[in-house]
Order: sequence, then structure tokens, then C-alpha cells
Amino acid sequence: AQSVTQLDSQVPVFEEAPVELRCNYSSSVSVYLFWYVQYPNQGLQLLLKYLSGSTLVKGINGFEAEFNKSQTSFHLRKPSVHISDTAEYFCAVSPLQGGSEKLVFGKGTKLTVNP
Amino acid sequence: DGGITQSPKYLFRKEGQNVTLSCEQNLNHDAMYWYRQDPGQGLRLIYYSQIVNDFQKGDIAEGYSVSREKKESFPLTVTSAQKNPTAFYLCASSTQLVGTGDRSGNTIYFGEGSWLTVV
Repeated sequence: AQSVTQLDSQVPVFEEAPVELRCNYSSSVSVYLFWYVQYPNQGLQLLLKYLSGSTLVKGINGFEAEFNKSQTSFHLRKPSVHISDTAEYFCAVSPLQGGSEKLVFGKGTKLTVNP
Repeated sequence: DGGITQSPKYLFRKEGQNVTLSCEQNLNHDAMYWYRQDPGQGLRLIYYSQIVNDFQKGDIAEGYSVSREKKESFPLTVTSAQKNPTAFYLCASSTQLVGTGDRSGNTIYFGEGSWLTVV
């Protein structure tokens, strides 16, 4: 079985500051990794995913994440945040074999960008 | 525009009642899912369906039921047996790569969600 730990439940930052949202996972098999974003009262939207290849993955809205297999981490970063980035961010993992029903989500990190 | 439509957005249930949440998708996806979201708990899988007329229990299926009579539709019924139904419910869908084991890398697309409150 897989598990995901998002180390910070809330992250407040000022506008134009850099941000890192941390995600660690546990799995006995190889996994795919995802970051989703959820704006208030809405569904989730995919930011980026790592399937294979380069460990640095670029996503939408200027976000990127780096897969570190030895540290079992997939931290999300943005060099300069905007007010509009205020949302909840979910890290998720899925084993390579099987279907998307095996996707496991972390508990989420609420990012608040202050002016 | 292609997407997933959930209705209603807000629903109130009295004790002992069954209620049904609607989910329709026009993305031509084979797989559909229902998740429950509680504050600070992330998302938990209730039921999923990989093909019409077939569905499987997820991690928290007790007190819920589903049907998949059409590819586009995957309604969720919250029965009176669900003791703590107040939550945000998310419907989702994804493609299925038939003939390969590599389906878990597919992106899951979500609807806008439905709030269910017990009164």
C-alpha cells in the first residue's frame, strides 16, 4: 500500500515570495506522482505529474516539482506566488501497475498568499 | 465544452432519508469515480467504475450505492445507513488504456463537487 504525507497543513506567504510545499510518500513499489490544486468550493485540477524521465517536472501556472527517489519526496515549488495562487494543494501517488482507482491523496496543504 | 457536471451543488438531507447526487461527463471517459472530502482528511474513494454496468467498492463504500447504466452517468446514492454523510462529494473520470497495465498514470478529471449537509 502507498501513503502520502504533506508535511505542512497551512503555508502563509507574501505575494511575490517563493514557496515550497512538501510531500513525502511511502511505497514498496514504483509510483507515479501528482500534484492537484483545489480552489474554494471547486473540484481538483491537475497541476503536474511525474511518470518517468526528467525528475524536474513543470506544470501549469508556473509551478514545478522535483522527484527525489532516494528521499521519497515530490516537493512543489513556485519562485514567485500571486494572490490567485491561494488554494489547497494535494499531493497524490499511484502504483505503476493497476488503475487510477489506486490513487492515494495526501491530506492537503492550504496555501494563503497575502498582499 | 467537455467536462464533468455534478448536481445539485448544495443538498440537505433529513435523518433517515436517501439522497442521490448526479454526475454526468461528456469526455468519453470509460472510468468514473466518487470521492468524499472532509476538512483536513484529503480525498477518500467511495466507489469506482471502469466500464458500463460494472462498479467496485472503494475504501469507504459502506452506506453508499451507485449505478452505471450509461457511460456518461454515474449517480451516487447516500443511504440512511451512512451515519455521518455531511461532506463534500467529488465525482471524477479518466480514460482507460485497455490492454495495458499502465493505467494509473492517467489524469483524473474532477467535477465541481456537491455539498451534502444533514439537517
